[in-house]
Formats: sequence, C-alpha cells, structure tokens
Amino acid sequence: AQRVTQPEKLLSVFKGAPVELKCNYSYSGSPELFWYVQYSRQRLQLLLRHISRESIKGFTADLNKGETSFHLKKPFAQEEDSAMYYCALTGTSYGKLTFGQGTILTVHP
Amino acid sequence: DSGVTQTPKHLITATGQRVTLRCSPRSGDLSVYWYQQSLDQGLQFLIQYYNGEERAKGNILERFSAQQFPDLHSELNLSSLELGDSALYFCASSSSSGNTIYFGEGSWLTVV
Repeated sequence: AQRVTQPEKLLSVFKGAPVELKCNYSYSGSPELFWYVQYSRQRLQLLLRHISRESIKGFTADLNKGETSFHLKKPFAQEEDSAMYYCALTGTSYGKLTFGQGTILTVHP
Repeated sequence: DSGVTQTPKHLITATGQRVTLRCSPRSGDLSVYWYQQSLDQGLQFLIQYYNGEERAKGNILERFSAQQFPDLHSELNLSSLELGDSALYFCASSSSSGNTIYFGEGSWLTVV
C-alpha cells in the first residue's frame, strides 16, 4: 500500500528564515513524488515534481530513496508562501495521487 | 487558471438529497479524477475515468457514483446525502501521458 506522511500539521517561521516541510512515503516500487500548494482553500497547484528537479518560487525538493523522504525546502521564506502544502505520490496507477495530510505554513512578517 | 472547470462552485442542500457535480477537463485531457477534501479525512482520491471508462477507484462510497461522457466531461453524483458528506470536491485532469495532474477550483458542498 502507498502512504504519505507529513508529520507537521502546522509550521510557523519568520520572513527570511529557512523553511523545511517534511514528507515521508512508503511505496514498494518506484513512486513519482509531487508537492502541491493550496492558498486559502483554492484549487491545488502543482509546485514541484521530483523527476523535473526544478526550483519553483525558490522551493526545491530532493527525493531520498534511502530515507523514503521528499522534503520541501526554501532558504528564505516569504509572507506569500503562507499556504497549505501537500506532498503526494503516484505509483503504477498513474494519476491516482495519494496525498499526505498537509502542512499549513505560516510565514510571519 | 488550470483549465479544469467545475460547477457549481458552492452548493447547500439538505440531508437525504441528491446532487450532481460537473467537471470539464482541460482541452485534450482524457483522464478525469475526483477527490474529496474534508477537515477530518484530508484529501482522498475517489475515482478516475479515462476516455469514458472507469480506470481506478478509491475511497468512494456506494452512495456516490461518477461517469465520463463522450465529450469527456464528468459528473459526480452524490445521493442520500449525510452531514459528513460536506466537503470540497475537486476534479482534476491529465493528458494521456498523465505526467501532470491539474486541479479545478472545487465545488463546495454543504449538507445541512
């Protein structure tokens, strides 16, 4: 069975501070990992895919297969980063995303 | 704008009633997915259709059903509604390669 765990429901940082949102997964094969962001209960927007290895809005995430983690990082948080962040994975049944419980990030001025 | 459109945006209905949520995928996308987002359950995959056929099923209740029509739009039917069905229902779509899934803005359902 595939599972995604985001251990922190809430995360607060100050503007300019580094931020790391944790994500651990369990999956027997080779999953594809994603980060989605949701602002104020709006639609989910794709932030990152692990296979594209890009940096969006200053965020990066590295897949660590040994630790089965896909933590999201940003060196200097901005107030506009305040949102709900979801880590998700898909396996062989492409498109069936399994989401973590989400982490609410609040960046204080 | 992701290109996935959902109607209605908000819906308030009484327990025991039936509602239909509609989704139009992005132009050219063959796959449609339905997700439920609630405070207690988080984001849960309900069902996926690909080019009119059911492809995968998740935690979808028997009181719920979905279909995808020849023009590729999809409908999610929720019947015998209960208070606990109050949630934000998302539709998403992807192309045949399925490498990126795009979400609509969701339909807020409140059951009173």
